Amino acid sequence: GEDVEQSLFLSVREGDSSVINCTYTDSSSTYLYWYKQEPGAGLQLLTYIFSNMDMKQDQRLTVLLNKKDKHLSLRIADTQTGDSAIYFCAEKGGSYIPTFGRGTSLIVHP
Amino acid sequence: SAVISQKPSRDICQRGTSLTIQCQVDSQVTMMFWYRQQPGQSLTLIATANQGSEATYESGFVIDKFPISRPNLTFSTLTVSNMSPEDSSIYLCAAGGPNVEQFFGPGTRLTVL
Repeated sequence: GEDVEQSLFLSVREGDSSVINCTYTDSSSTYLYWYKQEPGAGLQLLTYIFSNMDMKQDQRLTVLLNKKDKHLSLRIADTQTGDSAIYFCAEKGGSYIPTFGRGTSLIVHP
Repeated sequence: SAVISQKPSRDICQRGTSLTIQCQVDSQVTMMFWYRQQPGQSLTLIATANQGSEATYESGFVIDKFPISRPNLTFSTLTVSNMSPEDSSIYLCAAGGPNVEQFFGPGTRLTVL
């Protein structure tokens, strides 16, 4: 089946930028998503990008897509302690059902 | 966007009992899904809840263990039957469609003793 890979942990200092990376294998991916999960909560959709785009910016969030390499990244500028959470990458292709990565735990320390 | 609520938000249950989790969406949606998230793991799709017909189960999940109902376009239930400690997990309801993003409920944290 299709696969989505992410590194499991990322630690950054408050105020720095965070970059979370994701790779996927489905060449027919149409939508690529970033979700945020805070402790004890469900998944919150942060942003998504269509496969015909290579960049999307939304306030402190920048999504970059390299479709040739099947690589997606999420950059969080001026990272704050409230950004500490698990970030899930997901892709959706021909089916209605997205495939999720295992999530990257972002730890922001002072 | 769709707002999804689930109840209960958490429960502690005894082995051998069953728990029904409810999911309510604030608008009509094409598709509803049930996921399981075990500690430290990603999301595993259990099934797609189909309105007016039997749910579509993923490999490794069966109707006898996880019966699902979807009587209308905004409501679904998932029952975890004959529970064992291995069923301890977070159960997430989600809603979406073929061309839009998928929204998630807050999850139900289940502990089986």
